[in-house]
Amino acid sequence: TQLLEQSPQFLSIQEGENLTVYCNSSSVFSSLQWYRQEPGEGPVLLVTVVTGGEVKKLKRLTFQFGDARKDSSLHITAAQPGDTGLYLCAGGLGDSWGKLQFGAGTQVVVTP
Amino acid sequence: KAGVTQTPRYLIKTRGQQVTLSCSPISGHRSVSWYQQTPGQGLQFLFEYFSETQRNKGNFPGRFSGRQFSNSRSEMNVSTLELGDSALYLCASSPQGQGENSPLHFGNGTRLTVT
Repeated sequence: TQLLEQSPQFLSIQEGENLTVYCNSSSVFSSLQWYRQEPGEGPVLLVTVVTGGEVKKLKRLTFQFGDARKDSSLHITAAQPGDTGLYLCAGGLGDSWGKLQFGAGTQVVVTP
Repeated sequence: KAGVTQTPRYLIKTRGQQVTLSCSPISGHRSVSWYQQTPGQGLQFLFEYFSETQRNKGNFPGRFSGRQFSNSRSEMNVSTLELGDSALYLCASSPQGQGENSPLHFGNGTRLTVT
C-alpha cells in the first residue's frame, strides 16, 4: 500500500509545454522531497520542503508543499528533453530521513 | 568528492542461494540506507544504519539483513533467494540521516536477478 499517491503515472509532452505532477497522501509528513531518476542511475534529490504552504523554485521547476503537509506538486515550465525522467516524491516518516516513504513515481517524457 | 559506490552493478543468482551487496558512502557520511526498487512496488525502505547501529527497519522478512562497518561502509545480505527478490537495490548515504541540511545521496544500484 502506497502512502503517497502520485499522478499521473505517465506524462508525454512536447518540448516547450508545461506540466504538473501531483503527490497526495492522507498522512501528514514532517518533510517532503522530490527526486528525479534516469535509467541506470539512482534517484537524485531536487528539493526538500518542510513548511506547510512552502513554495520553492529551481530554475524552471516550481515545488509546492500543501498547507496541511499532506500533498505536494511539481510544476515544470517550458519543458526540455533533459527533463525526461522518473519523478519521485518521498515523505519523511520521522526524525530520520534515512527512512523515506516513496510514491510510485511519474514517468515524464519530453520529446523535441 | 566521490559519490556513493555500489558493487557489483549486476548480479545473477539462483533461487535458494544467498547474496551480499556492498555500499561505500560518500566520505564523511555516517548514515547509510538501503532500498529495494521494483516496477510493481516502487522504492521500498529496507533499513538504515548510523554509526554501525541499525536505526530504522522496514517491513521485509528476516532473510534481508545488513551491517555497517566502522568506516561507514555497509553491506546487505539476502539469504535463501526467491524469484521475487529480483530488483534494483539502492543504497543512499547522508551526513546524519536527518535534518534539512542532510540530504540523501543515492548510488546507481545493484541489479539483482534471481532465476
